[in-house]
Amino acid sequence: GAVVSQHPSRVICKSGTSVKIECRSLDFQATTMFWYRQFPKKSLMLMATSNEGSKATYEQGVEKDKFLINHASLTLSTLTVTSAHPEDSSFYICSANPVTSGRQETQYFGPGTRLLVL
Amino acid sequence: AQSVTQLDSQVPVFEEAPVELRCNYSSSVSVYLFWYVQYPNQGLQLLLKYLSGSTLVESINGFEAEFNKSQTSFHLRKPSVHISDTAEYFCAATNTGFQKLVFGTGTRLLVSP
Repeated sequence: GAVVSQHPSRVICKSGTSVKIECRSLDFQATTMFWYRQFPKKSLMLMATSNEGSKATYEQGVEKDKFLINHASLTLSTLTVTSAHPEDSSFYICSANPVTSGRQETQYFGPGTRLLVL
Repeated sequence: AQSVTQLDSQVPVFEEAPVELRCNYSSSVSVYLFWYVQYPNQGLQLLLKYLSGSTLVESINGFEAEFNKSQTSFHLRKPSVHISDTAEYFCAATNTGFQKLVFGTGTRLLVSP
C-alpha cells in the first residue's frame, strides 16, 4: 500500500515551454502533497506544500508564478514549470501523506521526474 | 528551527561488514524520525521510522535505528551489508504536526566486494 506515482518519469523540453508533472496517490487519499527538488548529489529541497482545494504554500525563494501547483483532488497534484529554462533542469519528487483516522503519518514519495530543459 | 545533520557524506564498506550511518537532529519539540533510501535515478523509499513507543525500530531488510533522545540521534545500523545496499540514505525529521519534513544532506553508502 501507500503508492505514489509520477508522470512523466523523464521529460526533455525546449527553453521557454511549459511542462506539467503529475503526482498521484494510487491507493490512498491525501489532503496534503509536497513537491521537492533535488539537485545532483544534493539533498531534497522542499518547494511547496500542496493542499487539496486551496492554494499551495511555497517555501521562501520559490517563485509561485513559475512553479504552478494545483491540487485538484484528494489523489492528484500537478506541478507546472512555466517558461522553463536550463537552470530549471532537475529531479522533481513529490510526496503524499495518507490521512488515516484524521492523523497524518509518514510521507510516501513518488519515483521522481527528471526534467531537462535545452 | 528544526535541522537534521548527517555528518558523513560517504561511507565505504566491504560486503558483509557492519555499518553505521549517523544522524543527529535538533528540535525543541517532539519529533518523528525517518530513514529513506534512494537508489540511482529513483525516488525515495521509506526504510524505517520512529513515531513513538520502542526506541529501536527495524526494517524488513536488516537495518535498524535507535532513537536516542538524550543524544538527539537516530543512527542507522546494519550488522552485515550487501552489495545491493549501495545507495543514498537520507535521515529526516518532522514535528508532531507533520507540516514539513526536514532532510539531512544524505550519506552515500558504497559497498564493495
